[in-house]
Amino acid sequence: ETGVTQSPTHLIKTRGQQVTLRCSSQSGHNTVSWYQQALGQGPQFIFQYYREEENGRGNFPPRFSGLQFPNYSSELNVNALELDDSALYLCASSLPLGNEQFFGPGTRLTVL
Amino acid sequence: EDQVTQSPEALRLQEGESSSLNCSYTVSGLRGLFWYRQDPGKGPEFLFTLYSAGEEKEKERLKATLTKKESFLHITAPKPEDSATYLCAVQNYGGATNKLIFGTGTLLAVQP
Repeated sequence: ETGVTQSPTHLIKTRGQQVTLRCSSQSGHNTVSWYQQALGQGPQFIFQYYREEENGRGNFPPRFSGLQFPNYSSELNVNALELDDSALYLCASSLPLGNEQFFGPGTRLTVL
Repeated sequence: EDQVTQSPEALRLQEGESSSLNCSYTVSGLRGLFWYRQDPGKGPEFLFTLYSAGEEKEKERLKATLTKKESFLHITAPKPEDSATYLCAVQNYGGATNKLIFGTGTLLAVQP
């Protein structure tokens, strides 16, 4: 059974640029959630995708957007990057009615 | 507003010295309480789910308990490899997602 994978591992961007992060969910999991984790903080919920639709969103601006594909993989897009977007971005997958979420290794984004 | 508070922020133990980590929560309707372990720069690793007051779960040297207001993660005779950040999170029944609301974690260091 393959776990959650994310790419790239690390990314460095400059302010104002756009970035796309990718996630492959665990086998059999069709629900994907994205979280942002700033240094020394707990993960903060960005949004969740189920059946290729966004079905919930945290307190993040519209420049954070996403997609889910038929194979349940997902992308997180961030436009007009700001310095405060520097963080570890985590993807988690789960069963549609399951409570447990399983996390990938994360993508470390640095905005200069 | 749903909230999770973890204490202490950091804990240093000698190998074999047992202790407990605390997670206090306020939630509109508890669907589940979760414990994760996170190593530096990595994604959170799922440990336990607790659903109702009085429930207990164990895994090796770790034991998680739940009351109506808080959860404890008891670590018995810890080893250096138990050093990590331990995150607590809750899920509520509101909304269409199974999003997790995290605390800021307890950084545990176990010295040989």
